Amino acid sequence: AAGVIQSPRHLIKEKRETATLKCYPIPRHDTVYWYQQGPGQDPQFLISFYEKMQSDKGSIPDRFSAQQFSDYHSELNMSSLELGDSALYFCASSLWATGRDEQYFGPGTRLTVT
Amino acid sequence: KQEVTQIPAALSVPEGENLVLNCSFTDSAIYNLQWFRQDPGKGLTSLLLIQSSQREQTSGRLNASLDKSSGRSTLYIAASQPGDSATYLCAVKSISGQNFVFGPGTRLSVLP
Repeated sequence: AAGVIQSPRHLIKEKRETATLKCYPIPRHDTVYWYQQGPGQDPQFLISFYEKMQSDKGSIPDRFSAQQFSDYHSELNMSSLELGDSALYFCASSLWATGRDEQYFGPGTRLTVT
Repeated sequence: KQEVTQIPAALSVPEGENLVLNCSFTDSAIYNLQWFRQDPGKGLTSLLLIQSSQREQTSGRLNASLDKSSGRSTLYIAASQPGDSATYLCAVKSISGQNFVFGPGTRLSVLP
């Protein structure tokens, strides 16, 4: 079965640079979530989209933005990167319309800011 | 604001033991609760999803229960194996929000 795809899997950036993370949800899933997991921490919710509209917002810095496109893939844009942004970034997708809304996570993008 | 805790933080058991992982949440108005497994540096694998109207779910050697009124869920692992070694995370979705709130996880080591 198709899973959530994230790219790139690893990314190294310098301070103050920008980064773009991509997420391709499971086909026919209507909701995408982004999470940030720092070293030794549990995942923290950043933002979610339902049917290409932002549906909920968590602890996402103003330097970050995200959107979901017509083909349902989503991108997380991160600017003015800081050392503290180094983390695993997960994308998850679900099918909200069924009411079950089980979240399936991608493998993550490991971002290292130097 | 929903808060999720998990005990114990770490657990080490010999192979073959049955074990219970605990998850507590502060707001009982939940939509669903999901248990995940995470291997070091890897993604999250969904184990079981319990809807708010359900009391338990089973998958193979895993059984998860939900008691909304007391704000608790337990994950029961039968006949543990070394391959079960991982961090187990409980995540709760409240009725008021769309996102999951994760617990800090239980780090499980099953010794051969």
